[in-house]
Amino acid sequence: EDQVTQSPEALRLQEGESSSLNCSYTVSGLRGLFWYRQDPGKGPEFLFTLYSAGEEKEKERLKATLTKKESFLHITAPKPEDSATYLCAVQERSNSGYALNFGKGTSLLVTP
Amino acid sequence: GAGVSQSPSNKVTEKGKDVELRCDPISGHTALYWYRQSLGQGLEFLIYFQGNSAPDKSGLPSDRFSAERTGGSVSTLTIQRTQQEDSAVYLCASTRDGRVNTGELFFGEGSRLTVL
Repeated sequence: EDQVTQSPEALRLQEGESSSLNCSYTVSGLRGLFWYRQDPGKGPEFLFTLYSAGEEKEKERLKATLTKKESFLHITAPKPEDSATYLCAVQERSNSGYALNFGKGTSLLVTP
Repeated sequence: GAGVSQSPSNKVTEKGKDVELRCDPISGHTALYWYRQSLGQGLEFLIYFQGNSAPDKSGLPSDRFSAERTGGSVSTLTIQRTQQEDSAVYLCASTRDGRVNTGELFFGEGSRLTVL
């Protein structure tokens, strides 16, 4: 069973059309939830870390929120340069909790 | 360079051959990760290094896969007797040891492996 499920798999928005990406997770104890952005042919780029339910982080047009079961990445008035794959990952609280377990991502396309 | 460097960027090999993939982390980063990204799949964790030791190698898919790190810096991922299902992009990431729990990893651009 996947620990991290992202939806939708793909999303097409017009420039300025706000929306949200979802990341649902199942871990016994959450150490942290992370959002990354990945451009084609590049490695993922870190965006945010969230540690506890109710926490929010913002960066430009992006805002990440966290509940006990899921996280949302809200994109306000997106621009074409926001087009990328957005990845969600979790780190489990355990003795060997070093790995970040990633979802399959949401591919976002923003058209002018 | 300022970022994580991986080589080769592209590797095409024949089934059954061995391959070595190299990662140069950011200077001073003691934590190093290897991930694999297959088409349509998420990033799959392979191994984590803290300095030269690997406290978590739970993601290595078979005994054909091994990795080492020397001098607390460069790491090499070796795949023996490659199979077609090994075709993927292999990504390396590093961070400062105290930053592991922040999830702020710095990724390289990856090594694309194609096994014919």
